[in-house]
Amino acid sequence: NAGVMQNPRHLVRRRGQEARLRCSPMKGHSHVYWYRQLPEEGLKFMVYLQKENIIDESGMPKERFSAEFPKEGPSILRIQQVVRGDSAAYFCASWQGQGTDTQYFGPGTRLTVL
Amino acid sequence: KNEVEQSPQNLTAQEGEFITINCSYSVGISALHWLQQHPGGGIVSLFMLSSGKKKHGRLIATINIQEKHSSLHITASHPRDSAVYICAVDAGGTSYGKLTFGQGTILTVHP
Repeated sequence: NAGVMQNPRHLVRRRGQEARLRCSPMKGHSHVYWYRQLPEEGLKFMVYLQKENIIDESGMPKERFSAEFPKEGPSILRIQQVVRGDSAAYFCASWQGQGTDTQYFGPGTRLTVL
Repeated sequence: KNEVEQSPQNLTAQEGEFITINCSYSVGISALHWLQQHPGGGIVSLFMLSSGKKKHGRLIATINIQEKHSSLHITASHPRDSAVYICAVDAGGTSYGKLTFGQGTILTVHP
């Protein structure tokens, strides 16, 4: 059973470009969480998705950021018109559901905005 | 004041020492997680607990729900234990599984 997969592992973008980060949850996991870790800061929740639904996006910046988890395929975190302040490590975690095992984290995508 | 506070922020130990990292939280929770992160690396979940105590190898995690406090202990520490240890809480409710994190404790174990 492969773990949570994220790609790319490293992504370099110039200001104004778009960044697409992908997360494939563990097999059988229908809950996906995205977290951001800014340089020298702790992890912060961004968004919680289940298949085809956004459950909680209270941690998402109001503009330029969006997330989806389609019926088929990976979850996507999309950042439009990136700025230098978006440079961070973005982690996703997947979970089978309440009353079950812990969350499993992916290796992260390190985004650098030039 | 952060919802999750860890202490100490930095911890240096000699190989073989017993280590304790503390976590206090201010909200009601359904579960508390202890995570490990190596420099530049990914995040590994060590424990998820909602009551009592759990043990895995040299690691022990305890939680006191009434006092809103948890501790992570490492017995017979080793240089490979050097990492950032992060406490995170799940407040449950409609966003079950959504975690709020402490700032992390940087542990360095010297040979």
